[in-house]
Amino acid sequence: AQSVAQPEDQVNVAEGNPLTVKCTYSVSGNPYLFWYVQYPNRGLQFLLKYITGDNLVKGSYGFEAEFNKSQTSFHLKKPSALVSDSALYFCAVRTRYNFNKFYFGSGTKLNVKP
Amino acid sequence: SAVISQKPSRDICQRGTSLTIQCQVDSQVTMMFWYRQQPGQSLTLIATANQGSEATYESGFVIDKFPISRPNLTFSTLTVSNMSPEDSSIYLCSVEIRGAAEETQYFGPGTRLLVL
Repeated sequence: AQSVAQPEDQVNVAEGNPLTVKCTYSVSGNPYLFWYVQYPNRGLQFLLKYITGDNLVKGSYGFEAEFNKSQTSFHLKKPSALVSDSALYFCAVRTRYNFNKFYFGSGTKLNVKP
Repeated sequence: SAVISQKPSRDICQRGTSLTIQCQVDSQVTMMFWYRQQPGQSLTLIATANQGSEATYESGFVIDKFPISRPNLTFSTLTVSNMSPEDSSIYLCSVEIRGAAEETQYFGPGTRLLVL
């Protein structure tokens, strides 16, 4: 069965510090990996994705993520957090075996304190 | 990418009634999806709606409770029928953009439903 795990319900960082939001996955076959962000009272916004190629993927708002096949991880990172980054972050995966379906993690709430 | 709008943005409904949620996309897309996000939880796929065919429902969701229409390539509706308080959720539609640079789902802003 395909699954995505976000082990932290909440991550707290100070503004200006680096942030990491963790994601691990379990799939059959090669994964397509995604990060989405949900601001309060808003829908999900696409941040970045890994399909193939370079393991380090850069996305919107200065975020990046690194695909690590051996550790089956796709952690989201940003070198310097902003208060405006505070939101709910979702990791998602899909595979060629069931291409229509996205499997979402449980979400991680990021709190960036001034 | 795609610009997606949903109507209504929120509603408060009485138990036993039905609500139809509309999803409009600014470009033609083959695949549209409906998700539910219950309070404090992740997204759960309700069904896949392709134009010209019946919607495909995920386990735990049935057409009688969540009928879906997909009359053309830019529009879809989801009806939540015979509502109960357990149906209180955010309902999101998404569209699939495929191609060499895409293969990504883009989401609408969601419809926040409260059933009393």
